Amino acid sequence: DQQVKQNSPSLSVQEGRISILNCDYTNSMFDYFLWYKKYPAEGPTFLISISSIKDKNEDGRFTVFLNKSAKHLSLHIVPSQPGDSAVYFCAASDLGNYGQNFVFGPGTRLSVLP
Amino acid sequence: DTAVSQTPKYLVTQMGNDKSIKCEQNLGHDTMYWYKQDSKKFLKIMFSYNNKELIINETVPNRFSPKSPDKAHLNLHINSLELGDSAVYFCASSEVRGGAKDRGSEQYFGPGTRLTVT
Repeated sequence: DQQVKQNSPSLSVQEGRISILNCDYTNSMFDYFLWYKKYPAEGPTFLISISSIKDKNEDGRFTVFLNKSAKHLSLHIVPSQPGDSAVYFCAASDLGNYGQNFVFGPGTRLSVLP
Repeated sequence: DTAVSQTPKYLVTQMGNDKSIKCEQNLGHDTMYWYKQDSKKFLKIMFSYNNKELIINETVPNRFSPKSPDKAHLNLHINSLELGDSAVYFCASSEVRGGAKDRGSEQYFGPGTRLTVT
């Protein structure tokens, strides 16, 4: 029973265009969401996060949007660069739980074509 | 200067053996985690320790035992290894900021240990 879903296993985008990665969650207790990027043979690295009191957070080329009513978030990368090619994981947690039990989605492999 | 390090990076062993994976973080974080990434690439939390105290223990066979000698280290010991234990194991750490809605914290991951049980 996946609490965090990323329904697109892969995505290909042309360099310079926008990449949109989607994530859906089922647990209404989740109130903090993160995106991680992972290159082969490396651990995931933190990209950007958003808490449930916001609906948008921006950091350079990366913007995360949160739609709480739809239990949906998305990561926008503009403009996409070849170095962005990686697997992107969406994660969610409940801030009320001090152990911060992060639940990860299955990941979306992004390929940015030159 | 690696923030979260794991040793070994690769581990090949036979069924029935006992092995350990070590993890160290130099970020001064209070919380450390172990994750398993299985063949389907799902990242699932196994354990979480806060200041050497077990906080989260997901449904993991009791052959897996985490040990935290201090808050900078969280080692994973696995007894009687089985074929299904083959996976990549990631250690991670984070600060504790929980409570306020805008004060969540991100995790910093180690490079992973690829365990192959033959």
